[in-house]
Amino acid sequence: EVQVAESGGGLIQPGGSLRLSCAASGFTVSSNYMNWVRQAPGKGLEWVSVIYSGGSTYYADSVKGRFTISRDNSKNTVYLQMNSLRVEDTAVYYCARGNDYGDYWGQGTLVTVSS
Amino acid sequence: QSVLTQPPSVSGAPGQRVTISCTGSSSNIGAGYDVHWYQQLPGTAPKLLIYGNTNRPSGVPDRFSGSRSGTSASLAITGLQAEDEADYYCQSYDSSLSVLWVFGGGTKLTVL
Repeated sequence: EVQVAESGGGLIQPGGSLRLSCAASGFTVSSNYMNWVRQAPGKGLEWVSVIYSGGSTYYADSVKGRFTISRDNSKNTVYLQMNSLRVEDTAVYYCARGNDYGDYWGQGTLVTVSS
Repeated sequence: QSVLTQPPSVSGAPGQRVTISCTGSSSNIGAGYDVHWYQQLPGTAPKLLIYGNTNRPSGVPDRFSGSRSGTSASLAITGLQAEDEADYYCQSYDSSLSVLWVFGGGTKLTVL
């Protein structure tokens, strides 16, 4: 059964760093496009980042230079390293598999940036 | 301001048919890029509902259907049920932006 599960969220002060994890089962992350999508409280969905099967990475302008997506093939896990966090980064962060669309999504992990 | 425009809310009585529109432009839907739809039940993660404009993943009831024409797409739900009450999002690709996925702002469906 295909599953993804996020972890690593929490309360962090502005300017701080946090690393989110997305553990996959039932498929291989290195053979798929893996995305991070976030949803601010009461708001809609916003695409954040992707890592392609070939290893290329792309980011939304709002996080470029601050966030880094990576993967550990041995752990079948994707990461999102978030630095220089801002209040406006507060959101539930979802991991989703897919290229044209997200066919499997995790339950999300909440990141709260506040002093 | 979302790249794709959806009505903030729609409503219908049980058993009725409702449609949710998703309006884009010449750089996304109008350029021929596929539209996909997600259902987000309260307090849960988005779930893929329609992919490639008209296709349903396994397990999605045929009460849900999608279409695309010109710079717009629509999601139709027939035989409305109480459990359909959720937020619905359309998603596509936009060639003018440096993002992989663009989303509509979401539509809250209320079953009366």
